[in-house]
Amino acid sequence: QVQLQESGPRLVKPSETLSLTCTASGGSISTYFWSWIRQPAGKGLEWIGRLSSTGTTNYNPSLKSRVTMSVDTSKNQFSLNLNSVTAADTAVYYCARDGVLSAFDIWGQGTMVTVSS
Amino acid sequence: QSVLTQPPSASGTPGQRVTISCSGSSSTIGNNYVYWYQQIPGTAPKLLILRNNQRPSGVPDRFSGSKSGTSASLAISGLRSEDEADYYCASWDDSPSGWVFGGGTKLTVL
Repeated sequence: QVQLQESGPRLVKPSETLSLTCTASGGSISTYFWSWIRQPAGKGLEWIGRLSSTGTTNYNPSLKSRVTMSVDTSKNQFSLNLNSVTAADTAVYYCARDGVLSAFDIWGQGTMVTVSS
Repeated sequence: QSVLTQPPSASGTPGQRVTISCSGSSSTIGNNYVYWYQQIPGTAPKLLILRNNQRPSGVPDRFSGSKSGTSASLAISGLRSEDEADYYCASWDDSPSGWVFGGGTKLTVL
């Protein structure tokens, strides 16, 4: 069974770039799409975007201008870059497997990222 | 403002049946599958229902999903204290392309 683990800085300064990596173990990321989802404290889930192992991407229109996702199949990893961050980007960030017919069936444990100077 | 609309809260007593609604549009629920997630506070969401009404392996049959037109529902029968959690619906949005979530429903077991 595939397991996902997010990693990256927990504290990011305003106007800088938030960078996170999700590492998959127990299976290859060469199939499926892989999504990033975030959740501000006490609030609901927000889909950020997804990418395939071949680099095909879909982004949330509200974040599209600031988001870049990439994949490294040799390391079984995929990454999220969110630039020009503000306090509103403070949230728990999750990576998840995004199956065509199974949506987000596997999730990472999530990582809390705080945007603050 | 979420694209999918859920009631913010729901409640029931042990043993009862509760339902949580999720309302969308023709470009979301009306033309795509609905998925439901359960989130215990402090943990990652867990897939509860896929493709409108299918339960992943390990999900009790007390949980069921349905869809009609541009709305969907999650039903929980034989309510238990451990069902107290936040529940989210999700669907693909054809325009613009992307996943959308409901705002979430906090279920309280009285």
